[in-house]
Amino acid sequence: EDKVVQSPLSLVVHEGDTVTLNCSYEVTNFRSLLWYKQEKKAPTFLFMLTSSGIEKKSGRLSSILDKKELFSILNITATQTGDSAIYLCAVGTNYGGSQGNLIFGKGTKLSVKP
Amino acid sequence: NAGVTQTPKFRILKIGQSMTLQCAQDMNHNYMYWYRQDPGMGLKLIYYSVGAGITDKGEVPNGYNVSRSTTEDFPLRLELAAPSQTSVYFCASSPGTVNNEQFFGPGTRLTVL
Repeated sequence: EDKVVQSPLSLVVHEGDTVTLNCSYEVTNFRSLLWYKQEKKAPTFLFMLTSSGIEKKSGRLSSILDKKELFSILNITATQTGDSAIYLCAVGTNYGGSQGNLIFGKGTKLSVKP
Repeated sequence: NAGVTQTPKFRILKIGQSMTLQCAQDMNHNYMYWYRQDPGMGLKLIYYSVGAGITDKGEVPNGYNVSRSTTEDFPLRLELAAPSQTSVYFCASSPGTVNNEQFFGPGTRLTVL
């Protein structure tokens, strides 16, 4: 059975700290790994990773994928209270040769204290 | 572009009632999805569609039905609401090419009492 496991499930840090969120997966027909940020409403897209070892970066956020060890990390440096959210990891699969579905982890709830 | 829109934002149903959650997208995406999200859980796929006239079951389809008569619209139907269907429902769409990125609507919070 395909699965995506995120850790930790929740995390409390103080402003200025650096955090690392983990995502491991076991899926057949891996296509991509995506990170989303969910605040009060809909998830918003952060990164999509398809190749091992290539870091994607956006401001204070960065992410990397290891397809051999089947995991990804999301780093946030110099955290701010606005980074408080649930961070979702999802794995995209191939499905019968065409684009398939996303399998989501349960998310990591990050709380950044002032 | 409005992106993915959903109505209503909130709804309270009584057990046994039926309703339709509406979803529309104006990005000409072929792929559309319905998820539910329960507290502390990730998103679980209910149904998806790869194009007009084509729908398929996801991980948790029981108690729901969908249709896809146009590229833009993908309504989700609950026929006999049950308390277990209390959840937040998200609709999403994607281009259906090599990019797996999905664009999400704002969600519908449904309570069944």
